[in-house]
Amino acid sequence: DTAVSQTPKYLVTQMGNDKSIKCEQNLGHDTMYWYKQDSKKFLKIMFSYNNKELIINETVPNRFSPKSPDKAHLNLHINSLELGDSAVYFCASSQTQGGGYGYTFGSGTRLTVV
Amino acid sequence: DAKTTQPPSMDCAEGRAANLPCNHSTISGNEYVYWYRQIHSQGPQYIIHGLKNNETNEMASLIITEDRKSSTLILPHATLRDTAVYYCIARSKTSYDKVIFGPGTSLSVIP
Repeated sequence: DTAVSQTPKYLVTQMGNDKSIKCEQNLGHDTMYWYKQDSKKFLKIMFSYNNKELIINETVPNRFSPKSPDKAHLNLHINSLELGDSAVYFCASSQTQGGGYGYTFGSGTRLTVV
Repeated sequence: DAKTTQPPSMDCAEGRAANLPCNHSTISGNEYVYWYRQIHSQGPQYIIHGLKNNETNEMASLIITEDRKSSTLILPHATLRDTAVYYCIARSKTSYDKVIFGPGTSLSVIP
């Protein structure tokens, strides 16, 4: 009955590889996000989708490509991984109209590029 | 969304009230104050939110000043499990927002 679930929880991969992180929410929210947490503990938004439409696309390398097949899923594909991509990536969801409790976050994916 | 500022760290004795301040002097009229916490490396967890009235739930109380330029999160009886990083953010309920969480206040509850 997990509200926002993301897989995998840990991902160790070599430089140059391509990898994907999957996210699913069962809250009926209309908006989903990808956040990146850096070593200084800031969580910075990368992408946001509202009803499968990309609405926020922050300055991230175009090696990062989000895909939302439906409003309950938001996946993140990363091409040609670099050492600097190592971080914890969090998926989140919210109900934009009518607000409510703000964001619900997944448990994170710790990506380590070696 | 309004920028918020918080002290980087605080200590609190177990069983005592933890009062975590947040400044949001540029908050606009339709922006709510939200508090989240992140325990270790888990995803941030919603605690409480409010617009201008004080709010209380089973986790905490939120006191917002009359001018709405600052707020205080109160954990009435802190336990060791409340040790976490606490984030205060301001956002409207209907915006497509670019909220940044951080750096927050690292609260250490001491036995």
